[in-house]
Amino acid sequence: NAGVTQTPKFQVLKTGQSMTLQCAQDMNHEYMSWYRQDPGMGLRLIHYSVGAGITDQGEVPNGYNVSRSTTEDFPLRLLSAAPSQTSVYFCASSPVGTETFDEQYFGPGTRLTVT
Amino acid sequence: AQKITQTQPGMFVQEKEAVTLDCTYDTSDPSYGLFWYKQPSSGEMIFLIYQGSYDQQNATEGRYSLNFQKARKSANLVISASQLGDSAMYFCAMREAYTGGFKTIFGAGTRLFVKA
Repeated sequence: NAGVTQTPKFQVLKTGQSMTLQCAQDMNHEYMSWYRQDPGMGLRLIHYSVGAGITDQGEVPNGYNVSRSTTEDFPLRLLSAAPSQTSVYFCASSPVGTETFDEQYFGPGTRLTVT
Repeated sequence: AQKITQTQPGMFVQEKEAVTLDCTYDTSDPSYGLFWYKQPSSGEMIFLIYQGSYDQQNATEGRYSLNFQKARKSANLVISASQLGDSAMYFCAMREAYTGGFKTIFGAGTRLFVKA
């Protein structure tokens, strides 16, 4: 049971380049989400998904796309990277049970630098 | 409007003493969950404690307890008998239900320094 995995761990992009941050979980969790954490700040929600085929925007969705074709995977796409997207990106997952609220399990993060 | 407010950017506590980290939240939903996470310098997010809005008793997990005051919309984290390893960032988070889904948002965090 690997939990939540993210790849890559580190990435440097030039302005205007595109890339996809990968996130996968093997816990059969319905809920997955992406956050960004800027230096010295909290986590801000980018996009989230409550199941395959269902995604929605969080607090800071601009510049990012997501899709959820399977329960396991929730990739985050940057279509045209900008220096303002330099951040650490965390993926998280949790079940959506009858209790409604469950602990989120976080991946180790991807540190992205856009020059 | 800010939904989660942590007003203490940084705090110091003496080893073995107790410390309270403040968190206030804003929601009109009667059903929600409140969480605290720890982020050490290594960067990973570690779940500490959870409180449901309908829970009658304050949550406790070892040295961590959550002082839940629903009418004041506060969910303060109390760490008893602080240890040097408690030095880290601490984040309060709230999960709300929306039509068709859920959303979890975080506060800006409090950096705790434990002094020997």
